[in-house]
Amino acid sequence: EADIYQTPRYLVIGTGKKITLECSQTMGHDKMYWYQQDPGMELHLIHYSYGVNSTEKGDLSSESTVSRIRTEHFPLTLESARPSHTSQYLCASSGGTGLAKNIQYFGAGTRLSVL
Amino acid sequence: QKEVEQNSGPLSVPEGAIASLNCTYSDRGSQSFFWYRQYSGKSPELIMSIYSNGDKEDGRFTAQLNKASQYVSLLIRDSQPSDSATYLCAVAPENTGFQKLVFGTGTRLLVSP
Repeated sequence: EADIYQTPRYLVIGTGKKITLECSQTMGHDKMYWYQQDPGMELHLIHYSYGVNSTEKGDLSSESTVSRIRTEHFPLTLESARPSHTSQYLCASSGGTGLAKNIQYFGAGTRLSVL
Repeated sequence: QKEVEQNSGPLSVPEGAIASLNCTYSDRGSQSFFWYRQYSGKSPELIMSIYSNGDKEDGRFTAQLNKASQYVSLLIRDSQPSDSATYLCAVAPENTGFQKLVFGTGTRLLVSP
């Protein structure tokens, strides 16, 4: 059973606001990921981290930034939200040993609407 | 060519039938293969993992892997309306150092009562 938590679940905010989406996991996983997904569309990796103080941009360019100061915490920040940022944001983590280390466990997601 | 390809569907099957979902991948050195189920508006959840050639069964689900053909499939026996969802194929490719998963676009399955 995966223990990965995202807050808030839903966020409606005005253009220009700064927002932070929280993601925490209690599994001690070293790798964490942020995906963006529009309704009915594919997952797009926007950020990932292999461990503390390690962050990389994903395959889809994003104006968001991330940080990894603690193993269990991987927040995503948008300095100035725009309507084009409206989407679902999914956080995932993976870790462990052997081939199962590639299994990614997902949080429930944050559905962001920017007006 | 996409790294992981799936037919987007929808795949429509009647209740009780076998649903067959297919996925091909391009990185021959890929190591781990997964099937995730995603209900509308929800996050993906892992339903099957497979690492070696052949079949792996778990309840009504069977995953099949053929590395020579770079092909992985998911069979759902005795399909139920509750199986209606999008099924994502995911692969850990060698070209990422097996550090990331590449997801297919998903196949939407509709099971009619």
